[in-house]
Amino acid sequence: KAGVTQTPRYLIKTRGQQVTLSCSPISGHRSVSWYQQTPGQGLQFLFEYFSETQRNKGNFPGRFSGRQFSNSRSEMNVSTLELGDSALYLCASSLEPLSPLHFGNGTRLTVT
Amino acid sequence: TQLLEQSPQFLSIQEGENLTVYCNSSSVFSSLQWYRQEPGEGPVLLVTVVTGGEVKKLKRLTFQFGDARKDSSLHITAAQPGDTGLYLCAGAHSGYALNFGKGTSLLVTP
Repeated sequence: KAGVTQTPRYLIKTRGQQVTLSCSPISGHRSVSWYQQTPGQGLQFLFEYFSETQRNKGNFPGRFSGRQFSNSRSEMNVSTLELGDSALYLCASSLEPLSPLHFGNGTRLTVT
Repeated sequence: TQLLEQSPQFLSIQEGENLTVYCNSSSVFSSLQWYRQEPGEGPVLLVTVVTGGEVKKLKRLTFQFGDARKDSSLHITAAQPGDTGLYLCAGAHSGYALNFGKGTSLLVTP
């Protein structure tokens, strides 16, 4: 069974630009969660989607948004990038909310 | 957000030593999960504990869930270099997304 796939793996952007990250969950998983990981803050929760509906949202500004499609694939978008947005963005899928998470290997975003 | 505190933050030991890492919270969780993350990869689930007082063993790793379901510990016996990584605990509570601690970074040297 294929794991969680995140694209792209690495991304370099300039302040003020926007970026879209993609996540393909494990087949059959309907719940997708996004986390931002930085050395100082650890894994911070961004969003959780289940059956195309946002179930939970973390404490991030409105520049961070996401969505889930009918095939459970998910995207997250960050607009007006800031230097502090540089981080590893991790996507995880699960059968349902609060089930154990299966993580992708992340997208490493660097904002210059 | 229910805060999960992990300790120690960093741990450097030699092969063959035993160690324990802790995950504490003031909140009660319906379950608690432990993950290990290696550099350049996403976290990988090690175990889920559900019942207060539960003990689970995974080879040389022993996981315990506190009686009150507010804390957990991970004990590694005879650590090996392959155990090196970031150990993360995550608490599950109905209505909330999984909340992660900041992790314990473990380095095991030969």
